[in-house]
Amino acid sequence: KAGVTQTPRYLIKTRGQQVTLSCSPISGHRSVSWYQQTPGQGLQFLFEYFSETQRNKGNFPGRFSGRQFSNSRSEMNVSTLELGDSALYLCASSFTLTGELFFGEGSRLTVL
Amino acid sequence: QKEVEQNSGPLSVPEGAIASLNCTYSDRGSQSFFWYRQYSGKSPELIMSIYSNGDKEDGRFTAQLNKASQYVSLLIRDSQPSDSATYLCAVIGISSGSARQLTFGSGTQLTVLP
Repeated sequence: KAGVTQTPRYLIKTRGQQVTLSCSPISGHRSVSWYQQTPGQGLQFLFEYFSETQRNKGNFPGRFSGRQFSNSRSEMNVSTLELGDSALYLCASSFTLTGELFFGEGSRLTVL
Repeated sequence: QKEVEQNSGPLSVPEGAIASLNCTYSDRGSQSFFWYRQYSGKSPELIMSIYSNGDKEDGRFTAQLNKASQYVSLLIRDSQPSDSATYLCAVIGISSGSARQLTFGSGTQLTVLP
């Protein structure tokens, strides 16, 4: 069974640009969550989607957005990038809305 | 006050010893508790979940939950160097929007010395 796949794995952007990250969950998993991980703040919850509906959102500015498609694949977008957005962005999937998450390898974003 | 607190460590134990990792949480209504392990440069992986007061054992790992004290712990028996990692406590509580949210602690870095 394939795991959670995130693309791209690494990317470098400059301030003011936007970025779109993609996540393909484990087959059959309908819930996708996104987290931001930085050395200083740890794992911070961004949002959670279930059956194409955003079920929950963390305390991030509106520049961070996401969506989920009918095949459960998810994307997150960050607009007007700031230096502080440099982080590892982790996607996780689960069969239902539980805390038993399966994480992808992450997308490491560097903002210059 | 952080919602989920862990001692950041580092915690060092000799090989074969018991490693004890602790976590406290602030939301008294929390019902679900998890331990994740994250090796350096890797993503977190679930190792234990616990939902009821008491102990839950899985191989060398034992999770302990005390809801009255708002405390959850992870014991690793016969620690091995391969257990060296950061251990993340995670709790499902009630967010400000009344939706369940999985909140992670900052993690405890464990080093098992050969």
